[in-house]
Amino acid sequence: DTAVSQTPKYLVTQMGNDKSIKCEQNLGHDTMYWYKQDSKKFLKIMFSYNNKELIINETVPNRFSPKSPDKAHLNLHINSLELGDSAVYFCASSQEGTLAGEQFFGPGTRLTVL
Amino acid sequence: AQSVTQLGSHVSVSEGALVLLRCNYSSSVPPYLFWYVQYPNQGLQLLLKYTSAATLVKGINGFEAEFKKSETSFHLTKPSAHMSDAAEYFCAVSESNFGNEKLTFGTGTRLTIIP
Repeated sequence: DTAVSQTPKYLVTQMGNDKSIKCEQNLGHDTMYWYKQDSKKFLKIMFSYNNKELIINETVPNRFSPKSPDKAHLNLHINSLELGDSAVYFCASSQEGTLAGEQFFGPGTRLTVL
Repeated sequence: AQSVTQLGSHVSVSEGALVLLRCNYSSSVPPYLFWYVQYPNQGLQLLLKYTSAATLVKGINGFEAEFKKSETSFHLTKPSAHMSDAAEYFCAVSESNFGNEKLTFGTGTRLTIIP
């Protein structure tokens, strides 16, 4: 059973388009995250949600809008895609109330903007 | 602000040799430290974590790491490298606890195993 799943796995699109990436976790966790991994493998947090409420927003351009319909889902919508948005986007989840809780990562979505 | 520095973006070791991946942290409060591994085209998987209990932490796949406060280090080691250890390794620090953690990652170290 997949713990954290993301769709699609690959996304190729043109500059200026709007696209969404979906994430679902079946671990019953309260907190979900989006990370961006650039071409040099550097990982940086973008957002975190706890029980559908935004907790962390790391100065991400407002073209990026996360949406959490319920605590098991955290989707990422990107407007007006730019070349610099090309990266691998990882979703993760963790359980609130756990000391230094492990974050469980999804397999990633490789976004290529042409 | 917390940060992590991983010395050496690429490390190559022979199969059966000692693996040593270096990580130094900076944190204004006692840190929680993690090592994650990323196999090609996959997500990250937790190897081990330090949560202020034992300073020597044992993880999966024979890896361990030692927290040294005086050196602000949390180096990852494995006595004998295996071909399957070839991957990207990330050290991370978190200043929070009880969930809602913001992990700050190092830039990663790519481990190559020479047959």
